Formats: sequence, C-alpha cells, structure tokens
Amino acid sequence: DTGVSQDPRHKITKRGQNVTFRCDPISEHNRLYWYRQTLGQGPEFLTYFQNEAQLEKSRLLSDRFSAERPKGSFSTLEIQRTEQGDSAMYLCASSLLSGGAYNEQFFGPGTRLTVL
Amino acid sequence: AQTVTQSQPEMSVQEAETVTLSCTYDTSESDYYLFWYKQPPSRQMILVIRQEAYKQQNATENRFSVNFQKAAKSFSLKISDSQLGDAAMYFCACGAYNTDKLIFGTGTRLQVFP
Repeated sequence: DTGVSQDPRHKITKRGQNVTFRCDPISEHNRLYWYRQTLGQGPEFLTYFQNEAQLEKSRLLSDRFSAERPKGSFSTLEIQRTEQGDSAMYLCASSLLSGGAYNEQFFGPGTRLTVL
Repeated sequence: AQTVTQSQPEMSVQEAETVTLSCTYDTSESDYYLFWYKQPPSRQMILVIRQEAYKQQNATENRFSVNFQKAAKSFSLKISDSQLGDAAMYFCACGAYNTDKLIFGTGTRLQVFP
C-alpha cells in the first residue's frame, strides 16, 4: 500500500490554459475527495465521489472545473481556462466506507498549481 | 453549514514543554466528528487525533489530547512533552457523519524551540 498519490506534484501554466490533475487513491478505498488549499488557508472542500458517482460539489467548483472518477478508481480534476485565482494546492484524499461510523481520510501530497 | 475557527495563527513552545492550540466550531449537524490534522512543511496532511461528538470522554493519543467542550463548541489540542518533530501547521476540522466531508480552520503554525 503506497498511499494516495497525485500527479503532477507541481504545475505551472499560463492564464487561459487547461490543466488536468490525477489522483490515485489507496487501493480498495471507495471514497475520494478533492480539496483546494490557498496560501495561509486551510483546505476547502471541492467535491467527493463514492465509487464512480460524484455525490457532492461545492459552490467553489465553478463551471470551469470538472472532476471524474471513471470505474471508481483514479480521479481527474480538470480546470479549463485557468485564472490566476486558481493558483493553489489541490489535495486529494481517500477513505474506505466500511459501514462504521467513521472513515478516516488519507491525504495525498497535493498538486501545486501556479497560474502566470 | 459548518465553520471552524482557529484564532491563533502562530504558536511557539520550548522542547519538552506543553502547548495548547485552540479551535472553535459551529455546525448544524447532529452527528459529527472533530479532528486535528498535522501538515509538516512540504509534506502531506496526517491525522493526529479525532473526537466523536457523541462521546463525552476526551480523546487521547500518546502525547496528544483534546479538551472537547460540546456546549461551548470548543475543541482544543494539547501537546505534551513537545518535540522538534511536532513543528508543523495544525488544522482543526469538523466532519459530517454521512459524507465525511471535512471543513477546516485556517490553521496554527507551531514552532518548537530547542
């Protein structure tokens, strides 16, 4: 078990370009979360999946953002027409919905996006 | 809606001493959890300790313990016998029972001096 992995770790792009990030959760984890963390702030919830179904999206997730989790395994987060305000660390986390009351989230190292 | 407030942007402590980080929260959920996460510089977030809101007993994990005051919506973290490796950003978070979605505070940067 190698933990949650994210790729790339760093991305620099020009305003207006599209970018895509990938998250590989811990094997067998059926829930996957995306958070955004700007400098000096705590992570903010963006969206989460249970298997391949996207169950909730934050109002922070504008129309330029789209997330997918095909086949309930890895997930991608795409940002279209990037803006400087999109510069942030994008964190992925996964958990196993086991029927218990609590399901710990394990975080990946994040993808740091810089929009020039 | 849930909000989490950490009013201490930075704290410092001497090695081997005790430090307490503060957190207050607000939630409309009847079933929820509270967490403290540690984020070392350039490293990923790890869970330090969690507290189920329905439990009155305060959670303890080795040198880490919490003071959970449900009526006051307060959830502080006490680190005893501080070590240099404890230096990190600490985030307080509240999680809803059904979704596990986490709402984080703005964090407290802890410095540990030898």
